[in-house]
Parts: sequence; C-alpha cells; structure tokens
Amino acid sequence: QVQLQESGPGLVKPSQTLSLTCSVSGASISSTTYFWNWFRQHPGKGLEWIGYTNYNGAANNNPSLRSRIDISLDTSKNDFSLELRSVTAADTAVYFCARAPRDASGFGYFDYWGQGSLVTVSS
Amino acid sequence: EIVLTQSPDTLSLSPGERATLSCRASQNINYRFLAWYQQKLGQAPRLLIYGASNRATGIPDRFSGSGSGTDFTLTISRLEPEDFAVYYCQQYSSSIIYTFGQGTNLEIK
Repeated sequence: QVQLQESGPGLVKPSQTLSLTCSVSGASISSTTYFWNWFRQHPGKGLEWIGYTNYNGAANNNPSLRSRIDISLDTSKNDFSLELRSVTAADTAVYFCARAPRDASGFGYFDYWGQGSLVTVSS
Repeated sequence: EIVLTQSPDTLSLSPGERATLSCRASQNINYRFLAWYQQKLGQAPRLLIYGASNRATGIPDRFSGSGSGTDFTLTISRLEPEDFAVYYCQQYSSSIIYTFGQGTNLEIK
C-alpha cells in the first residue's frame, strides 16, 4: 500500500527557510512512472499546487513561487523534500505531498497524498 | 493560467438524494485533463475522478464524472452520510500550472 508522510518543523521564523520532507513507502521514487508533488492549503482556503520533480530530472514549479522553492529527491531514503526560502506570514499553511502517476495520456492528477503538515510562520 | 469556477459554493442535500456539482474552466481543457477530489475536515484530498470520467481505484460507482471542453460535472447518484465533504475540481491541461477550483461544500440538509 502506498503511503506518504510529511515531516518537518511546525514553526518557522519570518525570512527563514521552510523545509519539509515527504517519506514514501509502497512505491519507489526512483521510478520514472511517477512525479512527486508539493501543495499547500491556507487556513480555510482551497488547494495550491507548489511544484513537482521526478527521477528523470523533470521539474516544474508554480510561477508565483518559483524564485523561492527547491524540490529534490533522496533516493537513498526514498523521500523528497521541499525548501521554501524567505518565508512570511503568508506562507502559513498546511503543506501536503502527493504522487502523480504517468499514464498513457500523460500525468497531472494526484492519486496518493500525505496527511498534511501545518507550518506556521511567526517570530 | 486556467481558472476553474465551481458551482454552487454550497449544496445542501439529504442522504439518498442526487448531487450535481459543476466546474467551469476559463479555457478549453485539452484531452479532458480534469480531476475531482473529495476533502473532509482535517484530512488530505482523495482522488475520485481523473480524465473527466475515470473513477479512481476503490471509488464507489455512485460517483461519476462527465463533460468536456470548458464544462464538467461530478454526479453522486445517491448520497451516503460519508459523502458530505468539500469537493474540488483540478485541471492538468496546462502543464505550466495545475489549478484547482475554489471548492463546493456539500452539506447535510
């Protein structure tokens, strides 16, 4: 059974870097069949896609966040990470990781999700 | 950026009734690259439908998706108590940025 689990600090100071890791079990992040994604959901709001990467080196990020984010894979640990730099209070949200499978028609929907990790930006 | 607008914002129905949720796109969605998710309070989204009409693994057949172009619909044929939640549509037609609708809150009447 595929499972994803986010981990990382729940509190980050303004101007610092938010770092989260998504541990994956039941699937290999080294598979070229999958793309590994990050999302966030501001309190009481809808979903915002942050970006993805995959084992082949394909990557894409939300243009509104592109200058501040890095998403990377660690194949030795079968996990992937998000770094969001220069955070402000507006980055306070629940952050989710999720998998996007590639099928015959393409990719871009998300079939397995982590349970989410609340990150608060505050001094 | 493709903007998705869902209607209604809130839908009040009783168990056993039929629910029809709408998602309208600001531009044509190529290849019917539209998905639907269910989210309950404090939980992650759950994939229901992809490719506009394909049910995800384990999703009951009371959930169905339809539509093409700019207009898409999620139908729940007969509501069960566990179906009351927020529903989001999401497009993956534009690979520049994946976007979600604002959500429809399906509540018990």
